Amino acid sequence: SQTIHQWPATLVQPVGSPLSLECTVEGTSNPNLYWYRQAAGRGLQLLFYSVGIGQISSEVPQNLSASRPQDRQFILSSKKLLLSDSGFYLCARGTQATDTQYFGPGTRLTVL
Amino acid sequence: GESVGLHLPTLSVQEGDNSIINCAYSNSASDYFIWYKQESGKGPQFIIDIRSNMDKRQGQRVTVLLNKTVKHLSLQIAATQPGDSAVYFCAEEQYNAGGTSYGKLTFGQGTILTVHP
Repeated sequence: SQTIHQWPATLVQPVGSPLSLECTVEGTSNPNLYWYRQAAGRGLQLLFYSVGIGQISSEVPQNLSASRPQDRQFILSSKKLLLSDSGFYLCARGTQATDTQYFGPGTRLTVL
Repeated sequence: GESVGLHLPTLSVQEGDNSIINCAYSNSASDYFIWYKQESGKGPQFIIDIRSNMDKRQGQRVTVLLNKTVKHLSLQIAATQPGDSAVYFCAEEQYNAGGTSYGKLTFGQGTILTVHP
């Protein structure tokens, strides 16, 4: 199976604290990986995507960053969280051959 | 900028009825479209997709229709069931000049489908 794991599932952090969200993918090599953020009652906003190890493209200027230290691992980070960083963070995978993206279970982040 | 939007934010139907969820897109260069279903607290789940060289595609109980003339996409769900209750998103993608994917989807705001038993 081509399963996507995300952790933690939920997270409550104070403003100004650091962040690290992790996404790992099983069953596929060299996937395209994506980080999306979803505000309550809204659609998905693409934050970062990666076509390979160490290759990160940023879509939206912000205080977040992404890294891909391994082929099947994608990490979303921040040095200092803002209130506006609250949301539902989703990792997705695609392939070089197809356009379809499949999503992980998500991480609910609340910044207080 | 280019965007994908939905006509109706909410849709309520009775169990067994057919549901139609609509989506308007503004980028006439879009090449690929996907419908996702998202249940509360979960990640979006792929339902069905269609490419711009097609106008209709059918799956199990679902049909996607694409009208490029008016830039309109719809998802039809036959014999809607309570388990179909969720938020439905359309997403679109534009290919690059070489005809391959950038791999970047643009999502609409979503339609809430509620199915009453």
